[in-house]
Amino acid sequence: DQQVKQNSPSLSVQEGRISILNCDYTNSMFDYFLWYKKYPAEGPTFLISISSIKDKNEDGRFTVFLNKSAKHLSLHIVPSQPGDSAVYFCAASGSQTGANNLFFGTGTRLTVIP
Amino acid sequence: GAGVSQTPSNKVTEKGKYVELRCDPISGHTALYWYRQSLGQGPEFLIYFQGTGAADDSGLPNDRFFAVRPEGSVSTLKIQRTERGDSAVYLCASSVTSGLGNEQFFGPGTRLTVL
Repeated sequence: DQQVKQNSPSLSVQEGRISILNCDYTNSMFDYFLWYKKYPAEGPTFLISISSIKDKNEDGRFTVFLNKSAKHLSLHIVPSQPGDSAVYFCAASGSQTGANNLFFGTGTRLTVIP
Repeated sequence: GAGVSQTPSNKVTEKGKYVELRCDPISGHTALYWYRQSLGQGPEFLIYFQGTGAADDSGLPNDRFFAVRPEGSVSTLKIQRTERGDSAVYLCASSVTSGLGNEQFFGPGTRLTVL
């Protein structure tokens, strides 16, 4: 069963606009969430994370929002740049679910159009 | 500095053969992880090492899969009697230590194709 879900396989956004990538999870024991970015033929690269004690974490153009009651998180990229085009994976972990195992979603392919 | 490296980058084998996939973690990282990414899916956890010992192997799909890390650095994932369903990208990651909040750095992966 897929405990982390990314229901949008792809997203296209114009350069300079906001990209919003969504992620849902089912396991209420998850308490740490991450976003990874992946370019072709490379491994995933860590982008930003958030602990369940927070509802927002910001790092430059990237902001992650967490809604625990809805079991939903989102990644906002503002402004979007062509170099942001990649596959984005949402991942979750928890001290009660095996803190060292990351549970990944299926990914969303973001295309930023110049 | 050097990141996580994995060899080979591609491996093609025949059904029933034995394969070994190698991972060189970032120097000084004590925790090492193996994941498998099938087509259209996200990475799926296989096994995690803290030092030389396999601290959690709950993700290994069956006893055909085995991994070692004898000196606490390089790790080898071993697959016996390969099946076509084993075809995937096998990703290795390492982190400074284990536990929540420790960023896992991923290698580029080994693409395994079982014919």
